Amino acid sequence: DTEVTQTPKHLVMGMTNKKSLKCEQHMGHRAMYWYKQKAKKPPELMFVYSYEKLSINESVPSRFSPECPNSSLLNLHLHALQPEDSALYLCASSQAKIKLGATGTYGYTFGSGTRLTVV
Amino acid sequence: LAKTTQPISMDSYEGQEVNITCSHNNIATNDYITWYQQFPSQGPRFIIQGYKTKVTNEVASLFIPADRKSSTLSLPRVSLSDTAVYYCLVGVFTGYSSASKIIFGSGTRLSIRP
Repeated sequence: DTEVTQTPKHLVMGMTNKKSLKCEQHMGHRAMYWYKQKAKKPPELMFVYSYEKLSINESVPSRFSPECPNSSLLNLHLHALQPEDSALYLCASSQAKIKLGATGTYGYTFGSGTRLTVV
Repeated sequence: LAKTTQPISMDSYEGQEVNITCSHNNIATNDYITWYQQFPSQGPRFIIQGYKTKVTNEVASLFIPADRKSSTLSLPRVSLSDTAVYYCLVGVFTGYSSASKIIFGSGTRLSIRP
């Protein structure tokens, strides 16, 4: 299995709702990421998990709450979002250890994203 | 953090070879150079990765000069389906907090015409 699966593909939520985005991978990757992408802009890093622990939080507002319950799953809990949070939310995974000079391919594998609309 | 600079947009025609150059002057010793392709409303898709010299796979070639301060993605004989945004990323793709964070640059919007 060489895929990152994100659900749901589309989500519409009100500003008072609580919802969650889910990301799953079975490639044995121990680093997982959340990115946010607005239209015609590059993806922006939000969170990084390494070995199920949060290692990077790019000063994301607390209305976004990440969770990594196990090595295959990554969730993003959403609460009290604003319309400007509407975007494509991308999950990615990668290996967590790379030996310098090692041969092979080391990069992110991205999911197809969740298109979030906040109304 | 290694910052990348690419042309904002490029146009070409079907059947032509397209070369997209990326500048990354402050690349670190451990950094890999990786190119991604993204279609609208989809996640970026890995194209090719290299550390030095030349790498070729079934879809593209990547040329990296000895100083590694730039790289060139070469797409042979493009088709309409190659119309997409292409991102050059530089860094170490791990989740370590001490490792380079992978930051996307603006990317190159490639348009292929019949």
